[in-house]
Amino acid sequence: QKEVEQDPGPLSVPEGAIVSLNCTYSNSAFQYFMWYRQYSRKGPELLMYTYSSGNKEDGRFTAQVDKSSKYISLFIRDSQPSDSATYLCAMRQGYSGGGADGLTFGKGTHLIIQP
Amino acid sequence: KAGVTQTPRYLIKTRGQQVTLSCSPISGHRSVSWYQQTPGQGLQFLFEYFSETQRNKGNFPGRFSGRQFSNSRSEMNVSTLELGDSALYLCASSLAGTSGLEQFFGPGTRLTVL
Repeated sequence: QKEVEQDPGPLSVPEGAIVSLNCTYSNSAFQYFMWYRQYSRKGPELLMYTYSSGNKEDGRFTAQVDKSSKYISLFIRDSQPSDSATYLCAMRQGYSGGGADGLTFGKGTHLIIQP
Repeated sequence: KAGVTQTPRYLIKTRGQQVTLSCSPISGHRSVSWYQQTPGQGLQFLFEYFSETQRNKGNFPGRFSGRQFSNSRSEMNVSTLELGDSALYLCASSLAGTSGLEQFFGPGTRLTVL
């Protein structure tokens, strides 16, 4: 079993729809959870990160973490064609304070927003 | 502020050769991490350098190595290349302290091994 599971898609939705992207994980030591967006031929771009369980909202994006279920979600409201990209979840264990530890990534979900 | 830069962007090598990739972090960032991205395995952590010291290492063979210079620029080296080393190699930089959670990625170096 992979540490982080993510449906590769593609997930195709019409413009304006609410998009739900999800990851499950097996390592209960993960405490920090991130979502990255990656356009073709580009490096990943951090969208948002959360610590432990709970919700976090940033504009049209909402991240949810349920540690009891080992399940995280990213919701995109009022989706736009420019949101078409691969979305990667990432997570890591406790933070040492001196630098960034390695992230464990899902394989990414390819999202297509149809105009 | 300039982003993370990686050179070269594309590289073609043959089996058995070695290769060196370069990464210049965002100004002021002292932590540099390297990742390998392939369609089959996704993004996998290689190693992380902070203040010229390797702090963390992923599960890759010793053929993969790296270093960081006093100006925080980093290089990674792959010796005795294998076909399976064909991948996008990504570098990410971050600040020290709690801001280290936010890693900023470069565009990557696309390595093809023939």
